[in-house]
Amino acid sequence: GENVEQHPSTLSVQEGDSAVIKCTYSDSASNYFPWYKQELGKRPQLIIDIRSNVGEKKDQRIAVTLNKTAKHFSLHITETQPEDSAVYFCAASIRTSGSARQLTFGSGTQLTVLP
Amino acid sequence: DTGVSQDPRHKITKRGQNVTFRCDPISEHNRLYWYRQTLGQGPEFLTYFQNEAQLEKSRLLSDRFSAERPKGSFSTLEIQRTEQGDSAMYLCASSVSGQGNEKLFFGSGTQLSVL
Repeated sequence: GENVEQHPSTLSVQEGDSAVIKCTYSDSASNYFPWYKQELGKRPQLIIDIRSNVGEKKDQRIAVTLNKTAKHFSLHITETQPEDSAVYFCAASIRTSGSARQLTFGSGTQLTVLP
Repeated sequence: DTGVSQDPRHKITKRGQNVTFRCDPISEHNRLYWYRQTLGQGPEFLTYFQNEAQLEKSRLLSDRFSAERPKGSFSTLEIQRTEQGDSAMYLCASSVSGQGNEKLFFGSGTQLSVL
């Protein structure tokens, strides 16, 4: 089955700096890669996702890049703010026609933005 | 809040007891997923429903676990004869199938503690 590795497990940055979180996946058939943000005691929230037919996607201060050849994808947060502090999870899934989203998650990155 | 709702938020039980959790998906979402999350880890897929049909179960879902979605709306997850290893956050998610842009939206989870 799919295996997703995520690093670093913890990341501290100064407010205003950029943060980068990296994930690798094992199954070359994976074609959907979402990122979730989870604040303490709250639900995982989808912040951005990318499909395998796209190499990069950006949404304001958040961007995701995908390298299918190397089987890795990254989350980039620019101009970090204290409210960006949370645990971030990457995930991967294979989706064929009609099948559901069985996401395989990484183990998470605790991001702390220092004021 | 019109998102995925789960009840209860917390459940403390003694080993050997049965527990049942409920999930109400986003209205008109025909797919419903159950995931389990342990401390410091990403969520792990347990099972999913399309309408009232349970279409896939993970090998993580032992015989003591049973899930239902009788009318294709809310779902229940029951754990019989609970064990300490069942202690975890049980997350529900829902989505709309049939779209190339299927996204999972999670509830806030039920935190189970087995004493």
